[in-house]
Amino acid sequence: AQSVTQLDSQVPVFEEAPVELRCNYSSSVSVYLFWYVQYPNQGLQLLLKYLSGSTLVKGINGFEAEFNKSQTSFHLRKPSVHISDTAEYFCAVSESGPGGYNKLIFGAGTRLAVHP
Amino acid sequence: NAGVTQTPKFRVLKTGQSMTLLCAQDMNHEYMYWYRQDPGMGLRLIHYSVGEGTTAKGEVPDGYNVSRLKKQNFLLGLESAAPSQTSVYFCATRSGLVEQFFGPGTRLTVL
Repeated sequence: AQSVTQLDSQVPVFEEAPVELRCNYSSSVSVYLFWYVQYPNQGLQLLLKYLSGSTLVKGINGFEAEFNKSQTSFHLRKPSVHISDTAEYFCAVSESGPGGYNKLIFGAGTRLAVHP
Repeated sequence: NAGVTQTPKFRVLKTGQSMTLLCAQDMNHEYMYWYRQDPGMGLRLIHYSVGEGTTAKGEVPDGYNVSRLKKQNFLLGLESAAPSQTSVYFCATRSGLVEQFFGPGTRLTVL
């Protein structure tokens, strides 16, 4: 079974600074990778996804992530954060099974706190 | 077009009580999922369904039952609630692609 490790449980950063949220996954076979964001007391919203093709994926709100197959990583970056980016971020990998189902394996989450 | 909705938004139960959480979707998606979210553990899959009339166990199914009698609804039941089931519950749906769409969540407290 696959697993996802988010290396930082909390990341404090000042407004307008760059940020990187780190994610490693266990499988070296073909995978689909996702980053979701959860604002306080809300559900999960998809930030970006990697299915195939270019290893640099751009998402909403100025975020991007780079798929690195050799390092089994999918780190999320933003060059300049805003207060409104304060949220919890989840990395997830898709795992397929019989009957065509797939499920998402989530990391534990990284809480990004942007300070003025 | 409401997407994925969950009812109720909040609920407090006493140990041993039962309840049903409703997930409804208007996107005509085949696949539906129930997750629970606990601090420091991300989201864990409870049960899922690959179509109307089908259900299957996920990673943490004990203490829960599900039903998918209609394509648009996926119900999660707790027959005898326990404090360990205090959590935030999320429903998600998927079409033929891999992306999942999440509901707003139900916050459940079991005393």
